Amino acid sequence: GNSVTQMEGPVTLSEEAFLTINCTYTATGYPSLFWYVQYPGEGLQLLLKATKADDKGSNKGFEATYRKETTSFHLEKGSVQVSDSAVYFCAYTGGGADGLTFGKGTHLIIQP
Amino acid sequence: NAGVMQNPRHLVRRRGQEARLRCSPMKGHSHVYWYRQLPEEGLKFMVYLQKENIIDESGMPKERFSAEFPKEGPSILRIQQVVRGDSAAYFCASSPPGLAVTDTQYFGPGTRLTVL
Repeated sequence: GNSVTQMEGPVTLSEEAFLTINCTYTATGYPSLFWYVQYPGEGLQLLLKATKADDKGSNKGFEATYRKETTSFHLEKGSVQVSDSAVYFCAYTGGGADGLTFGKGTHLIIQP
Repeated sequence: NAGVMQNPRHLVRRRGQEARLRCSPMKGHSHVYWYRQLPEEGLKFMVYLQKENIIDESGMPKERFSAEFPKEGPSILRIQQVVRGDSAAYFCASSPPGLAVTDTQYFGPGTRLTVL
């Protein structure tokens, strides 16, 4: 069935380290792919998105490329900051579903 | 332009009571979605509504849960005879008219329901 798999957390990094959070999906058709971020006690905020194969979404130094051949949408950032500490959710729409299908989330902790 | 509004932010109910959660979409948005987030889990889609219509309720539990989005006023998620397992954060999202599958959904701050 439809699903999103993202790496388990928590992921703990030092400030200025390179970040990769892996995400793969299983869906029919041509879904749109999203990364959402959730800060403690808050709702989800869209971080970036890509709507077709080979598109790259980017925002606030984060990037992710829609790879249809590997059904992946890995999130990367070259130099993380303490303020990036949050839970990151990979998700998609389409593939026969009306709502977003989410991964379980990856808790990112950045230490000074 | 105000974002998606949800109220209450926190709701405490005893087992057997009813819970009513409200969501006002962003101005100009006509699509509303409800999601549930259980502790340590991702969000699970519950229902997708447009004004006066339920489009997809495939994620809604078959009993005790209902949702509406009337012509006037907010969308309501109603849980009757709550049980402890209903304790969760409930998020509403909205998107503009159009091809919903590619549109960004904008989330509210959520309602955290605790059932005693």
